[in-house]
Amino acid sequence: AQSVSQHNHHVILSEAASLELGCNYSYGGTVNLFWYVQYPGQHLQLLLKYFSGDPLVKGIKGFEAEFIKSKFSFNLRKPSVQWSDTAEYFCAVTILGNNDMRFGAGTRLTVKP
Amino acid sequence: DVKVTQSSRYLVKRTGEKVFLECVQDMDHENMFWYRQDPGLGLRLIYFSYDVKMKEKGDIPEGYSVSREKKERFSLILESASTNQTSMYLCASSSGTISGNTIYFGEGSWLTVV
Repeated sequence: AQSVSQHNHHVILSEAASLELGCNYSYGGTVNLFWYVQYPGQHLQLLLKYFSGDPLVKGIKGFEAEFIKSKFSFNLRKPSVQWSDTAEYFCAVTILGNNDMRFGAGTRLTVKP
Repeated sequence: DVKVTQSSRYLVKRTGEKVFLECVQDMDHENMFWYRQDPGLGLRLIYFSYDVKMKEKGDIPEGYSVSREKKERFSLILESASTNQTSMYLCASSSGTISGNTIYFGEGSWLTVV
């Protein structure tokens, strides 16, 4: 079945550590890719998105993600995390021509001060 | 700024009750969505609508229905609430072709069915 997979369910890091959260999708065809973040008690916010062009996308708050088409991946990275990055992170995919968006199960990130 | 407003943040309902969750967006978006969010399962699409009076089933439509009588409003209806429908419900909207645009989310409605 077509799906979006986030392999890390809970990641715990110390401040200043580097972060990489995995996201793989299994849809064929042209896709658009997103990372959303949900801080505790807040609504989902867009971190970054990839539609076309440079596969390395820079988003807000120092996050970036790289689209690797051959690997069907869109991993999220940040070189140095902060305590304020503690949140849940969701990868999402839309497929060209479709009118819906599919999400991964989410990765909870805990950053220890 | 796009605003997606869900009228109820917290609800407690009894098994068998009919439940209405209301969502309004103020940006004239064509597309509106209802998701439920559960720990370890992420967001799962219940229904979406790409125009007034149009609706499409998502991945988990069973036990739910929707109504879109006006462009700005998209309602989720639980005809007979059950305990397994206890969840956080998220409404969202986007313009045009979703594959080319960003989805904006409301703050969510926490529903507990007892």
